[in-house]
Amino acid sequence: DQQVKQNSPSLSVQEGRISILNCDYTNSMFDYFLWYKKYPAEGPTFLISISSIKDKNEDGRFTVFLNKSAKHLSLHIVPSQPGDSAVYFCAAGTGNQFYFGTGTSLTVIP
Amino acid sequence: DVKVTQSSRYLVKRTGEKVFLECVQDMDHENMFWYRQDPGLGLRLIYFSYDVKMKEKGDIPEGYSVSREKKERFSLILESASTNQTSMYLCASRAGHFYGYTFGSGTRLTVV
Repeated sequence: DQQVKQNSPSLSVQEGRISILNCDYTNSMFDYFLWYKKYPAEGPTFLISISSIKDKNEDGRFTVFLNKSAKHLSLHIVPSQPGDSAVYFCAAGTGNQFYFGTGTSLTVIP
Repeated sequence: DVKVTQSSRYLVKRTGEKVFLECVQDMDHENMFWYRQDPGLGLRLIYFSYDVKMKEKGDIPEGYSVSREKKERFSLILESASTNQTSMYLCASRAGHFYGYTFGSGTRLTVV
C-alpha cells in the first residue's frame, strides 16, 4: 500500500502565479520530508526538505509546509516560472528509509 | 558536488539475458540505493546497502540482486531479464540518516 500519495498527477499554472503541489502520508512515525524535481531523462534533484519539528521551510521561491496532524505536506512555488515545469516527487521517512510519492507533473504556461 | 554516475543511459536487452546496471558515487557515502520509476507508480525501492558487503531488500526485490564489493560501487543485477522489468532505473546515495538522496541520471532499460 502506498505510504506516500500525490493525488494530482498533473498541474498547469500560468507563469508568475503560485504553484501548490500536495502530498499525503500515512505513517505518523515519519519525521523527515523531502521534495525532488525531475526533468525528463535526468535523475531527480533535491529541492527542499523539512523535519517534523518545523511546520514551514523556505528556500527562495520554494516553501514547504507540513501539517503533522493531517499528515499532509505541500510545496509552494512563487512565482512560478516556465523552467519549473518538471515532475515533482515528495518523499517521507524516518531516516532509515524514504518512501516516494507517484509524482506530480507541473507545467508552467508562459 | 556529489556525483552519482550510472554507466549507461539507455540499454536494450533480450528476455532471459543477465543484465548488470552499474552505479558509482564519488563522495564516500555509506548508503546506496536502487529504485525503479514507472508511470503512475513513482519511485519504488528495489534494494539498498548501508555499507560494503551489506544489502537489504526494498519493496520490490523479486527478480533482482545486488552487489556491493566496494564502498563507491553498487551494482544491480537482473538475473534473467523479463519484459516487465522494462523501466527507468535510478541509483542514489546519501551520507547517512536524515540526509537527502543524490540521484544518478538514470538508466532507461528496455527488455524485448
